[in-house]
Amino acid sequence: DAGVTQSPTHLIKTRGQHVTLRCSPISGHKSVSWYQQVLGQGPQFIFQYYEKEERGRGNFPDRFSARQFPNYSSELNVNALLLGDSALYLCASSLYSADTQYFGPGTRLTVL
Amino acid sequence: QQQVKQSPQSLIVQKGGIPIINCAYENTAFDYFPWYQQFPGKGPALLIAIRPDVSEKKEGRFTISFNKSAKQFSLHIMDSQPGDSATYFCAARVVYAGNNRKLIWGLGTSLAVNP
Repeated sequence: DAGVTQSPTHLIKTRGQHVTLRCSPISGHKSVSWYQQVLGQGPQFIFQYYEKEERGRGNFPDRFSARQFPNYSSELNVNALLLGDSALYLCASSLYSADTQYFGPGTRLTVL
Repeated sequence: QQQVKQSPQSLIVQKGGIPIINCAYENTAFDYFPWYQQFPGKGPALLIAIRPDVSEKKEGRFTISFNKSAKQFSLHIMDSQPGDSATYFCAARVVYAGNNRKLIWGLGTSLAVNP
């Protein structure tokens, strides 16, 4: 069984651009969470989706948005990129919203 | 209230040593305490986890000790190996917005195991 997959692996953008990151959860998992991990720090919670509905949002500006599709895959969108958005973006899937989370390899975003 | 404080920030041990990483919390509503291992350029991988009604859990060379009254928990790695060199994160799960849960993470401990 494939684990959590994320695409792209790496991404370089310039300030002001927007970006879309993608995540496919483990087969059968219905919940996806997104985290931002700045170098040298622990992951910070951005969003959680369960059954295509937003179940929670962390302390991130409205430039960050996400959605979950009927096949439970998810997209994270970030508009008007800032230098400070440079980070590893992690997607985690779980069977239900309260279950153990399994992480993907992440997308490394660099904003120049 | 929702913080998880992790120490030390970094740790160096010799092969075969027993590194110990400590975490402390304040929020008594946390209901699940996982430890994650992260290698450079990779996502965190679940290592071992414990619930607050258990004082110790062992899986292979990894042991969690949990002290509910002190609101502290720690990870012990027995017979550490160079391949254990990674960053270790403790986390705590909190209920929010009804029945949803999210992880609150420590800042991580960078472990180096010398051959």
